[in-house]
Amino acid sequence: GAVVSQHPSWVICKSGTSVKIECRSLDFQATTMFWYRQFPKQSLMLMATSNEGSKATYEQGVEKDKFLINHASLTLSTLTVTSAHPEDSSFYICSARDSYMDVGTSFDEQFFGPGTRLTVL
Amino acid sequence: AQTVTQSQPEMSVQEAETVTLSCTYDTSENNYYLFWYKQPPSRQMILVIRQEAYKQQNATENRFSVNFQKAAKSFSLKISDSQLGDTAMYFCALQTSYDKVIFGPGTSLSVIP
Repeated sequence: GAVVSQHPSWVICKSGTSVKIECRSLDFQATTMFWYRQFPKQSLMLMATSNEGSKATYEQGVEKDKFLINHASLTLSTLTVTSAHPEDSSFYICSARDSYMDVGTSFDEQFFGPGTRLTVL
Repeated sequence: AQTVTQSQPEMSVQEAETVTLSCTYDTSENNYYLFWYKQPPSRQMILVIRQEAYKQQNATENRFSVNFQKAAKSFSLKISDSQLGDTAMYFCALQTSYDKVIFGPGTSLSVIP
């Protein structure tokens, strides 16, 4: 399957600082990427849909000014947590959508990055 | 609105035995995909199996198979010959055509030696 990377894999920062997380599709181009947040022992919660060359679409309840998403190229989306606070500590996962044809059938599959653990002190 | 429900927060199975994880969903769409994802302690999401709603035949992948009941909106996962490496969180997920993926709350599976 296709490979998606995230950087960094973990980060610790002080309260009030900003943190940038990168999500890259390594062997395919992704016009759409997704950002999820996962608390311990809970499911993935979609935060936003990132579309290359346009503004991200945020899910209800997600502060777009706090979680800045930029999808400047077909292989890179970034999530910036601005003015981070301890309650922003979480596991952040990105996924990239790969759409392709195979033997006349279209496939639409998401490939997940390994996640980034953010701890805000 | 689309929803995914997993009624078993935790399950355990003896090594080499078979276990079935339950999932129900709701959508008004006619074309959609269903998935089972595995998340081991490393937290990397791994696709286990996928099912296209228009296909009546249940998907299988080696020891993993599904029982897809479209009318009942049920999508259970059967793991045969359970192995220690199957210990993980399992998420059922729903995706309508070219839309976002909605995840269920997950089932924590423990395989006991």
